[in-house]
Amino acid sequence: DAGVTQSPTHLIKTRGQQVTLRCSPKSGHDTVSWYQQALGQGPQFIFQYYEEEERQRGNFPDRFSGHQFPNYSSELNVNALLLGDSALYLCASSPGGVETQYFGPGTRLLVL
Amino acid sequence: KQEVTQIPAALSVPEGENLVLNCSFTDSAIYNLQWFRQDPGKGLTSLLLIQSSQREQTSGRLNASLDKSSGRSTLYIAASQPGDSATYLCASTSGTYKYIFGTGTRLKVLA
Repeated sequence: DAGVTQSPTHLIKTRGQQVTLRCSPKSGHDTVSWYQQALGQGPQFIFQYYEEEERQRGNFPDRFSGHQFPNYSSELNVNALLLGDSALYLCASSPGGVETQYFGPGTRLLVL
Repeated sequence: KQEVTQIPAALSVPEGENLVLNCSFTDSAIYNLQWFRQDPGKGLTSLLLIQSSQREQTSGRLNASLDKSSGRSTLYIAASQPGDSATYLCASTSGTYKYIFGTGTRLKVLA
């Protein structure tokens, strides 16, 4: 059984560009959450998707948006990239209504 | 608003030493408290999860305890090894479906 997978593993962009990160949840999981982890910090909650809707959102600007597809996979989009968006982006999945989340390996984004 | 703090921020110990990592949280109404390990540049590996009704969990050389009344959790690592070197993160959930993480403790075990 494959765990949570994320693509790409690494990405380099320049300021002002847009980026899309992808996540496939663990089999049987219908809820996907996204986290941003800056260097030396703990992960910060961005938002969570359930039944193709954003269920909850952390303190991130509207430049961060997402989508969940009918197969429960998810995308994180970031527009107008800033240098401060450089971070490890983690995806986590869970069965709906269950608190415990399973984390993927992350996508490391570098904005130059 | 839940805040999670981890002390110390960094720790260096000789191989074989027993050690304790600390995690404090401000809101005692937590659902779960989970400890993770993170190797440099990598994702999170779940170590132990303690549900709010539990006091501790054990896995091999690791033991995690939870004291909701004092807002604390500890991760005890017995007989530390160089392979234990990593950043250790604790995270709480409070029925809102999101994890609140501490900033982590960077552990280095010297051979």
